[in-house]
Amino acid sequence: GESVGLHLPTLSVQEGDNSIINCAYSNSASDYFIWYKQESGKGPQFIIDIRSNMDKRQGQRVTVLLNKTVKHLSLQIAATQPGDSAVYFCAENDINAGNMLTFGGGTRLMVKP
Amino acid sequence: EPEVTQTPSHQVTQMGQEVILRCVPISNHLYFYWYRQILGQKVEFLVSFYNNEISEKSEIFDDQFSVERPDGSNFTLKIRSTKLEDSAMYFCASKENQGNQPQHFGDGTRLSIL
Repeated sequence: GESVGLHLPTLSVQEGDNSIINCAYSNSASDYFIWYKQESGKGPQFIIDIRSNMDKRQGQRVTVLLNKTVKHLSLQIAATQPGDSAVYFCAENDINAGNMLTFGGGTRLMVKP
Repeated sequence: EPEVTQTPSHQVTQMGQEVILRCVPISNHLYFYWYRQILGQKVEFLVSFYNNEISEKSEIFDDQFSVERPDGSNFTLKIRSTKLEDSAMYFCASKENQGNQPQHFGDGTRLSIL
């Protein structure tokens, strides 16, 4: 799930299982959404994005779902691998605000071998 | 694959001193950003920059902060008189154009104020 503040929710999964990470966003005017992966000591790394006129987008092993009615995003990772262990952030983009990204609080994914 | 590079990776500075954080965005990108991440917290927007001027800035980006693109490749963030609460990771990001495209981030500079 998603959280604001110092307490980072953690999702622990077994290697090979599917992972689902959720995110609630706040701005109805946001028109573009991005999932980032952040490994320790690194910057946010782009995973997948979705525009507001879509409700699903698939990449390699990852799928993003967008539900604008309830302002909810999810990231699905298929066949999770140890290398997927990281903190995952959703970010919303408001084109009317200089394309600044507003990040969620992040979810830590831990993959057990 | 082209990437955003940031230097230094770690900067330790005395409170009250000026600090300049440096970034080299991806070469054909036109939109540039600074974000910060206080330890254990989420990434926060500071400022966006396009066509040699600030497009948007957050409340965090007060008069102590400034940005500059001194040449065709560098993008800098200056903090004039650092405070203890400026200690954080600072990330630079860039984007090719205004459309719906992801911002690409550097690996950040860890700023420690003593």
